[in-house]
Amino acid sequence: AQSVTQPDIHITVSEGASLELRCNYSYGATPYLFWYVQSPGQGLQLLLKYFSGDTLVQGIKGFEAEFKRSQSSFNLRKPSVHWSDAAEYFCAVSNAGGTSYGKLTFGQGTILTVHP
Amino acid sequence: NAGVTQTPKFRVLKTGQSMTLLCAQDMNHEYMYWYRQDPGMGLRLIHYSVGEGTTAKGEVPDGYNVSRLKKQNFLLGLESAAPSQTSVYFCASSPRGDEQYFGPGTRLTVT
Repeated sequence: AQSVTQPDIHITVSEGASLELRCNYSYGATPYLFWYVQSPGQGLQLLLKYFSGDTLVQGIKGFEAEFKRSQSSFNLRKPSVHWSDAAEYFCAVSNAGGTSYGKLTFGQGTILTVHP
Repeated sequence: NAGVTQTPKFRVLKTGQSMTLLCAQDMNHEYMYWYRQDPGMGLRLIHYSVGEGTTAKGEVPDGYNVSRLKKQNFLLGLESAAPSQTSVYFCASSPRGDEQYFGPGTRLTVT
């Protein structure tokens, strides 16, 4: 069964500081991996995705993530955080591919607070 | 291009009442999904559809029914609402069952 763990429930950083949000997954084959962001009262917006190829993927809003198969991790990073990045972040793994319906399994989410 | 839209945005029901949530997408996506989001539990899949006329159960289907009569619409029904169904409901669509695009959500309260 596929699963995702986000070890940090809440992270606080200062504006301009770097950010890393952790994500560990469990999946039997090559996973499809995603990071989504959710602002309060809003839906989920796709930040970036990894399907195959280059293990460092770039996303929107200056975010990037690195897929490390040996560590079963897909951590999200940003070199300099802006106050508008305050939101909840979800890592997800999918069984997409072949005849699969693309079941997305989400982590519990990490709430990011940004101090001025 | 509106993407994924959901109707209504908010609703309050009394226990035992019924209602239907509507999801519409204008991206010609084959796959559509219904999730519920509860504090501390992330998002959980209720039902999904891999094409017009098809539906299937997800992780937490009990108490819900769905229909996909048109490719662009995916309806979620609650026949007899219970307080345990108080949640935020999200619809999503996907072109190939890979990346999913989410709607803005429906906040449902059952008293």
